[in-house]
Amino acid sequence: KQEVTQIPAALSVPEGENLVLNCSFTDSAIYNLQWFRQDPGKGLTSLLLIQSSQREQTSGRLNASLDKSSGRSTLYIAASQPGDSATYLCAVPISGGGADGLTFGKGTHLIIQP
Amino acid sequence: DAGVIQSPRHEVTEMGQEVTLRCKPISGHNSLFWYRQTMMRGLELLIYFNNNVPIDDSGMPEDRFSAKMPNASFSTLKIQPSEPRDSAVYFCASSFRQGTYEQYFGPGTRLTVT
Repeated sequence: KQEVTQIPAALSVPEGENLVLNCSFTDSAIYNLQWFRQDPGKGLTSLLLIQSSQREQTSGRLNASLDKSSGRSTLYIAASQPGDSATYLCAVPISGGGADGLTFGKGTHLIIQP
Repeated sequence: DAGVIQSPRHEVTEMGQEVTLRCKPISGHNSLFWYRQTMMRGLELLIYFNNNVPIDDSGMPEDRFSAKMPNASFSTLKIQPSEPRDSAVYFCASSFRQGTYEQYFGPGTRLTVT
């Protein structure tokens, strides 16, 4: 059974710092990996999706990498801002296939101090 | 595009009552997913449909839960009878069953059963 773990569970840093959020998964046979952002009381916003054949994806100040063989992904946030404060969730297909439902980590709760 | 639409956004009901949650996926998407989020268990897949057909309902917790997708633009999740432990946020997501399979989430329905 696919399991997803995110470290750290919570992180508080001053504005301007570069930071790394970690995600690990137990079954490396995944079709893709998605990173989401969730603001309090809101839905999930898709940030980045990495296909199994890709090593990384970038969007603005965000960069996500994928190492399938080791079952790991990282989300790098450059020059953090107070608006980046949210919970960040990592998810992979439950059974590996692209059309499957997702299994999620518990998330990293991020606070950026002004 | 309006994104995934869910209704109602909030629902408060008494134990034993029937609850119906509704979802309209993004136009053109042919996969639809229902998830539940609680503090204890995080985000969990309940059921998903491909081309309006239920594919995997193994996440549905009990027979009190049922889901339908009568057409490509509408799905319901019904709980009958509801119990206090069903209190959670229920999310609907949709994706196009080709290419990246990226999932897009609705704003969620916050259900409180008293």
